[in-house]
Amino acid sequence: AQKITQTQPGMFVQEKEAVTLDCTYDTSDPSYGLFWYKQPSSGEMIFLIYQGSYDQQNATEGRYSLNFQKARKSANLVISASQLGDSAMYFCAMREAKMIKAAGNKLTFGGGTRVLVKP
Amino acid sequence: ETGVTQSPTHLIKTRGQQVTLRCSSQSGHNTVSWYQQALGQGPQFIFQYYREEENGRGNFPPRFSGLQFPNYSSELNVNALELDDSALYLCASSTTRLEETQYFGPGTRLLVL
Repeated sequence: AQKITQTQPGMFVQEKEAVTLDCTYDTSDPSYGLFWYKQPSSGEMIFLIYQGSYDQQNATEGRYSLNFQKARKSANLVISASQLGDSAMYFCAMREAKMIKAAGNKLTFGGGTRVLVKP
Repeated sequence: ETGVTQSPTHLIKTRGQQVTLRCSSQSGHNTVSWYQQALGQGPQFIFQYYREEENGRGNFPPRFSGLQFPNYSSELNVNALELDDSALYLCASSTTRLEETQYFGPGTRLLVL
């Protein structure tokens, strides 16, 4: 079973509008962290935002916010006021606390969503 | 604070050859992870090194091996290259704290012909 699912392979968004990228996850570990990364065509993974499983509030970082619905196991990324430079691949990833001893604190990634911002 | 660096940036090899990819960790990080990212897919965890020892491995065969040095830099070695090994190889450094992100390097693009 997929641990991280991103159901939107690609999206167009108009410049200055908001866009929501979907992410659902699967884990039985009560302690986990969820991350979003941006990957431009250059290839480097750029960290955007983090949400811990015990965090009471949704994470926000500038124009990025995370809509965390724990019961539904979803962690959607919202990008507000899209800019042309936001065009990239976006990946949702999870780190499970129980895996730290078993297999290192690896990140498990989803398949990504490609966002193209139109002027 | 220097970021994560990787070398080389691009590499072309032929099937059956061996390749070594290098990574320098971000200052203060004692953990290095390697990921393989095939075209159009998300990164897949290869293995992780913590204080010079392998600390977890993904579903990759033994011909994928690695090293971590006392200065926390790292190497990924791949023997007997196959066409499917063509991918972007990403190195990431971090501490072991659950809440802390891994910081990624720019990657090495490997093409196996």
